[in-house]
Amino acid sequence: GIQVEQSPPDLILQEGANSTLRCNFSDSVNNLQWFHQNPWGQLINLFYIPSGTKQNGRLSATTVATERYSLLYISSSQTTDSGVYFCAGALRLYGGSQGNLIFGKGTKLSVKP
Amino acid sequence: DGGITQSPKYLFRKEGQNVTLSCEQNLNHDAMYWYRQDPGQGLRLIYYSQIVNDFQKGDIAEGYSVSREKKESFPLTVTSAQKNPTAFYLCASSPRFRGAWTEAFFGQGTRLTVV
Repeated sequence: GIQVEQSPPDLILQEGANSTLRCNFSDSVNNLQWFHQNPWGQLINLFYIPSGTKQNGRLSATTVATERYSLLYISSSQTTDSGVYFCAGALRLYGGSQGNLIFGKGTKLSVKP
Repeated sequence: DGGITQSPKYLFRKEGQNVTLSCEQNLNHDAMYWYRQDPGQGLRLIYYSQIVNDFQKGDIAEGYSVSREKKESFPLTVTSAQKNPTAFYLCASSPRFRGAWTEAFFGQGTRLTVV
């Protein structure tokens, strides 16, 4: 079936620690995105990463499309990194993308001072 | 500023009433989407539209209706037929690039509560 699965579901870190969040996705999904949902509910775009590696400051992401997984790395975590991290993939259609996203259930990150 | 604007931010509805959530974008994106989020859950697709005057049902369309009369606007009506409408509603849009849909962007959301 169509699936996007995230792990771990919950993560508690001390400020300054590093972490890796994982997203596994099925064959029916491509064009991975990572989002951070802030305490007010807004989804902030972190990465659009169908394949390869991207970096933005302390965050980086890698998608290995052939093995159906993506990783989000957070280095030197800060309390402001707390929130829920979602990965989402677009439904595949005839080799392309239908656009509408299938979301994982998220990883809830708590960074303690 | 370019972006997606949802209004209102908070909405209270009495049982049996229809309410309409607004979503406007000035990004010139072709596709627009409505998602619903329940506490502690991911997002589920309600409706989407890839072109003006056309829209498709998502996974949980029952009790909802939409229209797409303008490229910039994709309002969502929560009807009295929706049995459990209390949730957080998010609107998104995405552009085409070389014929394929690419990165989606989201509005700030509307929190609907039935009283």
